[in-house]
Amino acid sequence: AQSVAQPEDQVNVAEGNPLTVKCTYSVSGNPYLFWYVQYPNRGLQFLLKYITGDNLVKGSYGFEAEFNKSQTSFHLKKPSALVSDSALYFCAVRSYIPTFGRGTSLIVHP
Amino acid sequence: KAGVTQTPRYLIKTRGQQVTLSCSPISGHRSVSWYQQTPGQGLQFLFEYFSETQRNKGNFPGRFSGRQFSNSRSEMNVSTLELGDSALYLCASSLVIGGMGYNEQFFGPGTRLTVL
Repeated sequence: AQSVAQPEDQVNVAEGNPLTVKCTYSVSGNPYLFWYVQYPNRGLQFLLKYITGDNLVKGSYGFEAEFNKSQTSFHLKKPSALVSDSALYFCAVRSYIPTFGRGTSLIVHP
Repeated sequence: KAGVTQTPRYLIKTRGQQVTLSCSPISGHRSVSWYQQTPGQGLQFLFEYFSETQRNKGNFPGRFSGRQFSNSRSEMNVSTLELGDSALYLCASSLVIGGMGYNEQFFGPGTRLTVL
């Protein structure tokens, strides 16, 4: 069975500092990996995906993610956080069915 | 291009009743998936439809069902509502290329169901 783990319920970072939101996965076969963001009272918005190719994937709003096959990780990163980045972030893996992590609340302090 | 729309946005029902939620995907998207989001369980996959056929199903009881119409619009139904069914129900659509459904999904704003 496939699974996704987001080990941190909450990540706090100061505005202007780099941020990392962690994600590890378990899936048989090649993983299809995604990051989504959810703002309050809204549906999820797609940020980026890894299907194949370069391990560093660039997405929307300056976010990027690094696929590491040996560590089965797909961490989300941004060089300089903004207060407006504060939201709930979900990592997802897709093989047979889509599986989402439980989400990480990112709080960016001014 | 219009996004995914879901109706109604809010619903209040009592135990034992049934409910039908509606989802209209982005124009041209033929795959529609449904999710249940709760604080305790997070985001859980219910089922996915493509070309009016259920392709995949999550681990939910038979009280949860769905269907897709020829215009790709989808409905999900929950019968004999229980208190634990209170949740945000999200619909997502995606473009399916070559029969592979591994593309990013575009989510609607959700329907907030409260069961009393």
